[in-house]
Amino acid sequence: AQKITQTQPGMFVQEKEAVTLDCTYDTSDQSYGLFWYKQPSSGEMIFLIYQGSYDEQNATEGRYSLNFQKARKSANLVISASQLGDSAMYFCAMRWASGTYKYIFGTGTRLKVLA
Amino acid sequence: DAGVIQSPRHEVTEMGQEVTLRCKPISGHDYLFWYRQTMMRGLELLIYFNNNVPIDDSGMPEDRFSAKMPNASFSTLKIQPSEPRDSAVYFCASSKHELYQETQYFGPGTRLLVL
Repeated sequence: AQKITQTQPGMFVQEKEAVTLDCTYDTSDQSYGLFWYKQPSSGEMIFLIYQGSYDEQNATEGRYSLNFQKARKSANLVISASQLGDSAMYFCAMRWASGTYKYIFGTGTRLKVLA
Repeated sequence: DAGVIQSPRHEVTEMGQEVTLRCKPISGHDYLFWYRQTMMRGLELLIYFNNNVPIDDSGMPEDRFSAKMPNASFSTLKIQPSEPRDSAVYFCASSKHELYQETQYFGPGTRLLVL
C-alpha cells in the first residue's frame, strides 16, 4: 500500500539558516508525483514544489528545493535562508495512478523559525 | 486569476442540521477534490471529480455525506444530518491534468463546527 511518512513532528531553525524537512514514501508504481505544501497558522494550503518520478533533476522553486532520492524513496524539502514567515506546517504529499488517481498526505512537520 | 473559492468560510450548526459547503474551482481545471482536515486524522481525501464526474468516493465517511458537481464551475459537499464528529476544516482543491504534472491548488477552507 502507498504511504507517506514525515518523521519530524516539529523542527526549529535559526533565521537565515537552511533547514531540511524529511519525507519518505512507499509505492510500487513507477509513475507518481511528489508535492510539498505549506500551511501557515491562517489555515490555507499553499503549494510549494513538485517532483515527478521521472524527473532526473531535483525541483527548485526560489528558496525551496526538493532533494529527490528515488532509490531511497525520499523527497526531502530544503528551505534555504529561512525567514520568520516560513514558520508553518509543511505537508508532503504523493499522487499515483492505480486505476484512478490517488493522493495521500503525510502528517506534517511544524517548522518554527527563530529570530 | 482567481483561486479556488469556497463558501462559507465558517459554519456553526447544531447536530442534526443539514450543512452545505460550496466550491468554485479554478477556471479551466478539470479535477476537483474535497478534503477534510482534523487534528486526529490529518488531511483526508473524501471524493474527487474529473470533468464533473465523481471518480473516487471511497473516502466519504458514510451515507450522511454526499457531493455533487453539476457543472465545471461549481461543486457542493453536503452533510445531512450533521454530527459533532463532523467538525473539521473542509478544503476544496482543483487541478488541471497535464502530462507529468498535476498540481492541486487549494481553497481557503470551510471551518465547520457542529454543536
